[in-house]
Amino acid sequence: DQQVKQNSPSLSVQEGRISILNCDYTNSMFDYFLWYKKYPAEGPTFLISISSIKDKNEDGRFTVFLNKSAKHLSLHIVPSQPGDSAVYFCAASAGWYSGTASKLTFGTGTRLQVTL
Amino acid sequence: KAGVTQTPRYLIKTRGQQVTLSCSPISGHRSVSWYQQTPGQGLQFLFEYFSETQRNKGNFPGRFSGRQFSNSRSEMNVSTLELGDSALYLCASSFGAEADTQYFGPGTRLTVL
Repeated sequence: DQQVKQNSPSLSVQEGRISILNCDYTNSMFDYFLWYKKYPAEGPTFLISISSIKDKNEDGRFTVFLNKSAKHLSLHIVPSQPGDSAVYFCAASAGWYSGTASKLTFGTGTRLQVTL
Repeated sequence: KAGVTQTPRYLIKTRGQQVTLSCSPISGHRSVSWYQQTPGQGLQFLFEYFSETQRNKGNFPGRFSGRQFSNSRSEMNVSTLELGDSALYLCASSFGAEADTQYFGPGTRLTVL
């Protein structure tokens, strides 16, 4: 039962353009969402997060949008840079209400390639 | 500030053996969580320790166990290794508050032959 889905296994974007990575979830108890970036042979690196009381959060070139009614979140990277090429994971937890903030459920990842 | 460290980085074992992996969290962090990453199942939550107590647990068999010490360092143990236990084992630390961001270490690559 895949509770967090990233339906695009890969995405290619030109340098300078916008990258949009999507994530869908099915568990309505999820109330905290995170995006991580991962390079091969390294651990995931935290990028940005959003709680269910918000619908948007920005940090520099990264913006996360949350649509609770659609159970959908997206990560926008503007402008995309070659160093952004990596695998991006979205993750969710039901921390606020159930005390299990530490139990992250991950999507399967989207490989982003930013081309010159 | 030093990040999460994991030792060893690589490990080769044979079926039936047991293995212990170690994780040192970021200074000040009291929560340590463990995850398994495999090509087939992706990243899956194993368990979390907070103040030396297991606070949350994933859906893994009892062969997977852990503990946390008073300095917040954590160890994970896998007994009676199976071929399917070959994976990247990641540990993440956080302050332990609700909806707290977890920061990951580089992982330990375990290969079971």
